[in-house]
Amino acid sequence: EAGVAQSPRYKIIEKRQSVAFWCNPISGHATLYWYQQILGQGPKLLIQFQNNGVVDDSQLPKDRFSAERLKGVDSTLKIQPAKLEDSAVYLCASSPREGENTEAFFGQGTRLTVV
Amino acid sequence: GDSVTQMEGPVTLSEEAFLTINCTYTATGYPSLFWYVQYPGEGLQLLLKATKADDKGSNKGFEATYRKETTSFHLEKGSVQVSDSAVYFCALSKPSGTYKYIFGTGTRLKVLA
Repeated sequence: EAGVAQSPRYKIIEKRQSVAFWCNPISGHATLYWYQQILGQGPKLLIQFQNNGVVDDSQLPKDRFSAERLKGVDSTLKIQPAKLEDSAVYLCASSPREGENTEAFFGQGTRLTVV
Repeated sequence: GDSVTQMEGPVTLSEEAFLTINCTYTATGYPSLFWYVQYPGEGLQLLLKATKADDKGSNKGFEATYRKETTSFHLEKGSVQVSDSAVYFCALSKPSGTYKYIFGTGTRLKVLA
């Protein structure tokens, strides 16, 4: 079974530029998560989708971050404009069944460096 | 709010030593508890989980028991190997509308040959 795919693996941008990350979850997984992991910290949830609907975006800085999940499959996370404090690893995860407490499967992440 | 607290690292051990990484949680209701491991340059992988009080999760020689009375889920391994060197994250998940995962800050383990 293929895992969660993310791209790119690494990205370096200047502050005030924009950037987009892509995630392809495990086939058939209803729930998709985007996490931000700052160096030395645990992952922090940014947004959670159930199929193509947002169920939790309470910690997403909506003035600069946006995310979508088209047709309930792939997802993109965008930052515009980026700030230095956005430097982090952005992790995408998916879990199989709606309404059940199963583990999340994580991609390798995208390491963003804002200079 | 809900939270997870882990012991700070790094933890440095010699090969074959006994490992304990402490994890305590604060949550209302009945969360499920997880240990995830992150090897260098990779994403998080589920190591083990427990879904109710007194459950013991185990995998690859690692164990953790869900202790509701002490709100703890400590990770243990009897004999660590160099290949266990990684960052370990304790996490909880509960259905507060959605199954949202809350992670601790992670504990880096370094095993020396």
